[in-house]
Amino acid sequence: DAGVTQSPTHLIKTRGQQVTLRCSPKSGHDTVSWYQQALGQGPQFIFQYYEEEERQRGNFPDRFSGHQFPNYSSELNVNALLLGDSALYLCASSFRRGMNTEAFFGQGTRLTVV
Amino acid sequence: AQTVTQSQPEMSVQEAETVTLSCTYDTSESNYYLFWYKQPPSRQMILVIRQEAYKQQNATENRFSVNFQKAAKSFSLKISDSQLGDTAMYFCAFRLGGSQGNLIFGKGTKLSVKP
Repeated sequence: DAGVTQSPTHLIKTRGQQVTLRCSPKSGHDTVSWYQQALGQGPQFIFQYYEEEERQRGNFPDRFSGHQFPNYSSELNVNALLLGDSALYLCASSFRRGMNTEAFFGQGTRLTVV
Repeated sequence: AQTVTQSQPEMSVQEAETVTLSCTYDTSESNYYLFWYKQPPSRQMILVIRQEAYKQQNATENRFSVNFQKAAKSFSLKISDSQLGDTAMYFCAFRLGGSQGNLIFGKGTKLSVKP
């Protein structure tokens, strides 16, 4: 079992550019959540995808968007990058119908905006 | 809105000793879960222990145990027989029950285990 995998592991982008981060959930999981973790802070919830639809959203602007594919993998897109978007982006997967199951996290993508 | 507060930014402990990390939370809900996650330098968030709010018994996982005080909204983590591999950031997190809702994290406590 490969667990949750994220790509790329590191990324450097220029302010104003767009970026796409990818996540493959743990085998058997159908729900993907994305978190932003700024340096020295706890992760902040961005949004959650289930059945290819955004189900919940945190307090993030529309520049942050996502997608879930039929195989449950997911992408996080950020447009018009700002310096403040520099952070570790974590993906977590879970099994929605298993109400008491835990979320498994990937190792994250470190995004640096210069 | 729910909030999670960790008041200890950094802690250190000698190898083989016991350390307690503090966490308080605020919610008006009665059905929820509490978690402690460990984040080593590898960055991957690893679940250490979980507690269901409806359970009065404190959760235990090997060297890790919690002191869950529901009325005081307190959820501390005790690590016994600390090991060098316990060195990491520790995050307390909250999740509403009845759904696969989002996790709300505290700011974390950096734990250093010294030989």
